[in-house]
Amino acid sequence: GAGVSQTPSNKVTEKGKYVELRCDPISGHTALYWYRQSLGQGPEFLIYFQGTGAADDSGLPNDRFFAVRPEGSVSTLKIQRTERGDSAVYLCASSLSWGETQYFGPGTRLLVL
Amino acid sequence: AQSVTQPDIHITVSEGASLELRCNYSYGATPYLFWYVQSPGQGLQLLLKYFSGDTLVQGIKGFEAEFKRSQSSFNLRKPSVHWSDAAEYFCAVGGTSYGKLTFGQGTILTVHP
Repeated sequence: GAGVSQTPSNKVTEKGKYVELRCDPISGHTALYWYRQSLGQGPEFLIYFQGTGAADDSGLPNDRFFAVRPEGSVSTLKIQRTERGDSAVYLCASSLSWGETQYFGPGTRLLVL
Repeated sequence: AQSVTQPDIHITVSEGASLELRCNYSYGATPYLFWYVQSPGQGLQLLLKYFSGDTLVQGIKGFEAEFKRSQSSFNLRKPSVHWSDAAEYFCAVGGTSYGKLTFGQGTILTVHP
């Protein structure tokens, strides 16, 4: 079956702009996770959803970052007033339920100029 | 808090040689442990996982890992490396207490012909 998909694959924006990153999880997976991977580092947890609700958003770095999952499937990660330090690969993962094996998408590479 | 240490940032082996990648973790309960592989421009692919039971787990592509609770380790091994194994490898810890994964910094594997 289809895996996790993320769009766009690459996004270049200017400092101060707003961006949205989209994640389509594997069908039937109730848990969805966002991670951020900076150059030379392992992925770092941002937020995860169980269904429509954000069950843990402790990894969001500040209030410029926000994520939604209104219908319990597709999720959008929103970044306001982007900064150069936001440049990274944003990874999405999904799992059947909380605590189960996570399957990752290919990521969105964000570059803030 | 959970954490993962991968002591080796970069390992080089010759094709056909054996491989061991080290991973040490810190976790307050029974951990779920994972190894993922990431090729350039690709998403994270799950190699293997340990949830419970037999401490020696087999994964895809001929990889195996052994969970050693007394040493808080989950080292990845392969008896004979192929050139296509060149990639970056990430160890991660999670569990039912914490749905999110915590990743190590990664180990880059280079394979010489």
